[in-house]
Parts: sequence; C-alpha cells; structure tokens
Amino acid sequence: DGGITQSPKYLFRKEGQNVTLSCEQNLNHDAMYWYRQDPGQGLRLIYYSQIVNDFQKGDIAEGYSVSREKKESFPLTVTSAQKNPTAFYLCASSTDRVGDQPQHFGDGTRLSIL
Amino acid sequence: AQSVTQPDIHITVSEGASLELRCNYSYGATPYLFWYVQSPGQGLQLLLKYFSGDTLVQGIKGFEAEFKRSQSSFNLRKPSVHWSDAAEYFCAMNSGYSTLTFGKGTMLLVSP
Repeated sequence: DGGITQSPKYLFRKEGQNVTLSCEQNLNHDAMYWYRQDPGQGLRLIYYSQIVNDFQKGDIAEGYSVSREKKESFPLTVTSAQKNPTAFYLCASSTDRVGDQPQHFGDGTRLSIL
Repeated sequence: AQSVTQPDIHITVSEGASLELRCNYSYGATPYLFWYVQSPGQGLQLLLKYFSGDTLVQGIKGFEAEFKRSQSSFNLRKPSVHWSDAAEYFCAMNSGYSTLTFGKGTMLLVSP
C-alpha cells in the first residue's frame, strides 16, 4: 500500500545537537510538507516543497532546515538553533501544487529533549 | 489575513447523540475546505473536503459537513456518535497556494 513513512517514531535530542527526521512517500506526490504540532496550537507549517530541489519556508522555519534531493524523500533537520524543539512533527504530501487536493499525513515523530 | 477558527477546544457528547463541530474561516473568496481527524499519537486522516458545488458534503465514517458562505462556516456533523469517534478534529483551509491553514482543533470526548 502507498503511504508516508516517518521515522523514527520517538527521538531524543541532547542540548546543542542537530537531529534529522525522515519522511519517505511512495505515493508519487509532487508536494511535501513538514508541520509542527504543539498541544492546543493546531498544526504550523515549517517548510514545504512543490518540486525536487526546491523548497519554501513556512510560518515557523527558524531553527529548521530541509532538503529535497529525491521526489520520495523530504528530511527535516532540527538544528541546535531551535531552542524549543520538543513537539510532535508531521510530514504530509499532496498530488498538486494548487491546493484542491488533500494532503496525506504520516504517523509523526515525537521529539523530546534529554 | 487568512485564518481558521474552531471555537470549541473540547466537546463532550453522549454515545448515540448527535454531534456538530464548528469551523469558521476568514478569506476573501471561497477556499478549499477540509476536515481531518487525529487519534492520539497518530497522523491526520481526511474525513471530507469541499471545493465547489453542493454545499453539503459527505465523508467517511458517517460524517458530513455543510458549507455556508454567508456565515463563512464549514461545520462538521454526525447524527449518532460512537465511542470510537473520540479524537481530535481539525478544520483546514487552502486558498489556492498549496499550503493549508489549520484551526487549533476540537477534542471530542464521548461519554457512555
């Protein structure tokens, strides 16, 4: 079955350390997205990519970085510059760039600080 | 500015009773509208979507939503709630630029 795979499910970061969250999709979707979810805050967009080798900042990009070298993969790096990284991170993908197609979500990665 | 408001943070409904979750949006034209559901520790699952046409849309798991342009609303309804419907529900809007704006969610609790 096609879908979005996020790994790991749980991740722990030490102070001053960069960590990378994996997101892989086999849906042949052009667009991919990273969201951060905090209790009571809904989902906030970190970065998105509509095509390979191109990506745009979302609403809360500071302290994060991404790459899109392959259509199937959109890894997110949480850098040491992100001072409050503890959150639930969701990756999503969509067939189109206009917005009239729904986004499909992975099962998330929960990041905590040691 | 574009925004989505879900006025109710928590709602408790008795099993078998009807449900309505509210969603209001702020946008100058008619956006694309979605309802998603999230179980604890999981990703989001699409319940239904509205793009144009019939203002009453049917979704999965017996849910429906009605788009009302005059009220800038897209409320989610279910005639009879089951205990398995307990989850968090998110309304989302896309104004045509590929990114979604989410409401802050409504947590549904189902009492026996």
